[in-house]
Amino acid sequence: DTGVSQDPRHKITKRGQNVTFRCDPISEHNRLYWYRQTLGQGPEFLTYFQNEAQLEKSRLLSDRFSAERPKGSFSTLEIQRTEQGDSAMYLCASRPMGLGEAFFGQGTRLTVV
Amino acid sequence: AQSVTQLGSHVSVSEGALVLLRCNYSSSVPPYLFWYVQYPNQGLQLLLKYTTGATLVKGINGFEAEFKKSETSFHLTKPSAHMSDAAEYFCAVSDQSFAGNQFYFGTGTSLTVIP
Repeated sequence: DTGVSQDPRHKITKRGQNVTFRCDPISEHNRLYWYRQTLGQGPEFLTYFQNEAQLEKSRLLSDRFSAERPKGSFSTLEIQRTEQGDSAMYLCASRPMGLGEAFFGQGTRLTVV
Repeated sequence: AQSVTQLGSHVSVSEGALVLLRCNYSSSVPPYLFWYVQYPNQGLQLLLKYTTGATLVKGINGFEAEFKKSETSFHLTKPSAHMSDAAEYFCAVSDQSFAGNQFYFGTGTSLTVIP
């Protein structure tokens, strides 16, 4: 068990470009979450998967954001037509069913210039 | 609806002094409560959690927290601060449903330890 892995760790992109991040959860964890964290703030919920099904999505999430989890394993988060306001740390977490805590990856820091 | 309030966005303590980080929650059902720590440019690491049972929970690195239902609080303490404790601390709440459910995080408390 190597923990939750996120790739890339850092991404710098020009405004208007599309970016995609990947998250590999802990194996056997069927729940997967994406969060966004800006400087000085707590993580803000973006979306949640149980296996391959996207069961919950934040109402604050722009339609430029899309996430997938094919086959219930790794997940990708895509941001289209990036804006400077998208600059943040994007955190992925996985969680087993039941009372367990969420295990977080080290995050992907996105900078939009 | 769930929410978390962390009182004090910045806390400074001297090395060896008591650490007290405050967390109050709002939940319509019995909650699960968590404290996470975050070091610069890192993800979140679990310090401790309360789900059921004993209301005083012990975590890693000498931290502990007490669930007080009457006060809707889950404050984090450590008897003696160490320089390595300097980090950002987040309190989080989740409900007891098995339906997955997100974590609701507070805005965090930045702990500074003064030598």
